[in-house]
Amino acid sequence: DIQLTQSPSSVSASVGDRVTIACRASESISRFLNWYQQEPGKAPKLLIYAASNLQSGVPSRFSGSGSGTEFTLTISSLQPEDFVTYYCQQSYSSQWTFGQGTKVEIK
Amino acid sequence: EVQLVESGGGLIQPGGSLRLSCAASGFTLRSHWMHWVRKAPGKGLMWVSRMKDDGSFTRFADAVEGRFSMSRDNAKNTLYLQMNSLRAEDTAVYYCVREADFWDGYSSKNYYGLDVWGQGTTVTVSS
Repeated sequence: DIQLTQSPSSVSASVGDRVTIACRASESISRFLNWYQQEPGKAPKLLIYAASNLQSGVPSRFSGSGSGTEFTLTISSLQPEDFVTYYCQQSYSSQWTFGQGTKVEIK
Repeated sequence: EVQLVESGGGLIQPGGSLRLSCAASGFTLRSHWMHWVRKAPGKGLMWVSRMKDDGSFTRFADAVEGRFSMSRDNAKNTLYLQMNSLRAEDTAVYYCVREADFWDGYSSKNYYGLDVWGQGTTVTVSS
């Protein structure tokens, strides 16, 4: 199966900071890469699909880029509600997989 | 309102079986591939399984292959996850999730994501 490795596992930042999270695939997945946000105790929410497309209703401070094996999620200016956990996920193979998650914490 | 509501979770002994249900409303279940995703305590999300819109194809994560099965009753707008030979490591919140197709005109390809999630049902495997 395709492994997804996120880095860093956690990041400390302040409101207004720019944060970038990386996701590396164990083999090429074209642009079949999605990003999700999960608050504690709640269901995940789709942020970005097909590597760089913003899901409807998601604020424009979120953006995604990449293709092949290297992908990034960028939050341009952190807001208080953004201090949660983010996951990448691939839909290229018949067995879908998630990255291990990146927790964004308040510095 | 588009909604997914899971039920059937609970406390079960190792080796036991449990069937989760997922009731869909606000959309037609037969038009969508559906998935199950779980989150164990203190761990990240894990994709569990997927089923084609007409129920003719399923795929499972290696960790549950041979122990879990999926089914659906499109007439009742309900999805199921049958879990057998449960282990402590299956303890998790289980989410029923809808797959969405996104057309990208630039590359002329369909891409796939998980756009509607249930609230989750908790499964605890313990003696």
